[in-house]
Amino acid sequence: DAGVIQSPRHEVTEMGQEVTLRCKPISGHNSLFWYRQTMMRGLELLIYFNNNVPIDDSGMPEDRFSAKMPNASFSTLKIQPSEPRDSAVYFCASSLNGMGPEAFFGQGTRLTVV
Amino acid sequence: SQQGEEDPQALSIQEGENATMNCSYKTSINNLQWYRQNSGRGLVHLILIRSNEREKHSGRLRVTLDTSKKSSSLLITASRAADTASYFCATGATGGGNKLTFGTGTQLKVEL
Repeated sequence: DAGVIQSPRHEVTEMGQEVTLRCKPISGHNSLFWYRQTMMRGLELLIYFNNNVPIDDSGMPEDRFSAKMPNASFSTLKIQPSEPRDSAVYFCASSLNGMGPEAFFGQGTRLTVV
Repeated sequence: SQQGEEDPQALSIQEGENATMNCSYKTSINNLQWYRQNSGRGLVHLILIRSNEREKHSGRLRVTLDTSKKSSSLLITASRAADTASYFCATGATGGGNKLTFGTGTQLKVEL
């Protein structure tokens, strides 16, 4: 298996633009997580899906952020409009609920909003 | 919000020495995991210890868990330069499904 695949790896955008980050979890995994990592705040859980349903979105910072999981093999995290303080590395991770809670992480998307 | 606080924030040792990192957490857990992150890369799972376990080994890694003190330690024995990375503890809360909350991390540097 190729692991969790995120795209793009790097994104530079101007303030006010819409940004869409994409994630393909490991095939067969039924839990998917979006995390944000910054020097100041460390690793923050933004949202968590189980069987394509959002279970906990309490970490989503504000209404500018939205996440979807239309099927078991694809998820998006959208920021609209983007702001410089959204600059961070965004990680997607997946796990197989019931078989062990270990999470498998993608390589991340480094987002820079200028 | 972050559940775990790790100590020390940074650690520098010589190759061959042992490295010990500590993690404290706040709420009831059903498991605690340690992950490693190389610079610019994603996190990689190292080892998991369940709340009813006190110690676990995997290769050069040894993890302990003290639920009464809400703390865990990760020991890397006979460290190598390739162990240089950031190490994070992550807790799975009781009743939280597979949701993990990560600590602040320890930056380990192993020098030749």
